[in-house]
Amino acid sequence: GAGVSQSPSNKVTEKGKDVELRCDPISGHTALYWYRQSLGQGLEFLIYFQGNSAPDKSGLPSDRFSAERTGGSVSTLTIQRTQQEDSAVYLCASSLDYGALGGTQYFGPGTRLLVL
Amino acid sequence: DQQVKQNSPSLSVQEGRISILNCDYTNSMFDYFLWYKKYPAEGPTFLISISSIKDKNEDGRFTVFLNKSAKHLSLHIVPSQPGDSAVYFCAAIPSGTYKYIFGTGTRLKVLA
Repeated sequence: GAGVSQSPSNKVTEKGKDVELRCDPISGHTALYWYRQSLGQGLEFLIYFQGNSAPDKSGLPSDRFSAERTGGSVSTLTIQRTQQEDSAVYLCASSLDYGALGGTQYFGPGTRLLVL
Repeated sequence: DQQVKQNSPSLSVQEGRISILNCDYTNSMFDYFLWYKKYPAEGPTFLISISSIKDKNEDGRFTVFLNKSAKHLSLHIVPSQPGDSAVYFCAAIPSGTYKYIFGTGTRLKVLA
């Protein structure tokens, strides 16, 4: 596609439910990143994929958060047993290659998650 | 511990004037810096970047200045246009990593 796409654009869920957020990166981009932006905060790094592997999961806030990437393309971020503090905008980005100078990160429009 | 700080949450500027957005950082191991612009309901879009070996990079109306001794980064927009109204994030990349560490953003409003 022309850019990074994410779905759904908005998600309202009840506390305790599981949610899945999807990211379609730019075609050909090998690196994929997940961030979240809580109210009044900057973008917080969650996890990074190079191909289908995630060398760095250090940003995931708890073991309720997991992510996978298949076929070197689509990625899914799953939040189990959601809590109200999980409410945020979840942003996905992709870049052509790995590393700081491996390419600018291009962001999707985000998924706005609200946990009631 | 906020390693990248944007201390001004908002800024208003008259159309045609210069907008100066500031960013301070604490980690001397950052070796690449970027500015992103974000409109409501959209993802951040890349604006301009600068390597730590430089002190200035210019692209059209946008210039980024880096003062390593002061650990300070600034973005100058000249002349400012109403379409520049957005939230601007600075980001820094620690040496040897791929992680973007973002500031909290500054909301710029350009008044017509």
